[in-house]
Amino acid sequence: EVQLVETGGGLIQPGGSLRLSCAASGFTVTSNYMSWVRQAPGKGLEWVSVIYSGGSTYYADSVKGRFTISRDNSKNTLYLQLNGLRAEDTAVYYCARFQGVPGPIDYWGQGTLVTVSS
Amino acid sequence: SYVLTQPPSVSVAPGKTAKITCGGIHIGSKSVHWYQQKPGQAPVLVIYYDNDRPSGIPERFSGSNTGNMGTLTINRVEAGDEADYYCQVWDSSGDHVVFGGGTKLTVL
Repeated sequence: EVQLVETGGGLIQPGGSLRLSCAASGFTVTSNYMSWVRQAPGKGLEWVSVIYSGGSTYYADSVKGRFTISRDNSKNTLYLQLNGLRAEDTAVYYCARFQGVPGPIDYWGQGTLVTVSS
Repeated sequence: SYVLTQPPSVSVAPGKTAKITCGGIHIGSKSVHWYQQKPGQAPVLVIYYDNDRPSGIPERFSGSNTGNMGTLTINRVEAGDEADYYCQVWDSSGDHVVFGGGTKLTVL
């Protein structure tokens, strides 16, 4: 059974850093297209970043240069390093698996809440 | 960057048909995927590649995509279909993902 479990969210001050983790089971992270999608409170879905099975990484303009997506094969885990956090980064962050390009997301995690506030 | 436009809300009576649109330039040349999200839950895929249904999704859900408009159609709407619906595509370069703004479906 495929499962994605995010951890690492919390309350962080503006300018701070946080690392989100997404532990996967039932499949191999490095063999798939993995992504982070966020949702600000009461708002819609916003794509954040993707890492291809081959290792290429891409980012939304809103986070480029501040966030870094990565993965650990030995732990079968996806990560998102969030630096230079802003109030507008406050959101639930979902880990997700894409069925390749141009496919859909077939599995989502339950999400982890990041709150950026002083 | 590519933009997908959805109506903020759609209302429909039980048993009727709901149509939720997703507008984008030449979207008919892309593959459109649709997600349903209920309050406090992660999104769920309901239609992929324009008009394919994942297992477990009722046949009442269907999709179409042509020209500048993709459409999610829900026949014989039930109270349990009340949710937010999002369309999604990949941009032409294949390295960015785009979501529509979402449509809140209200069952009257």
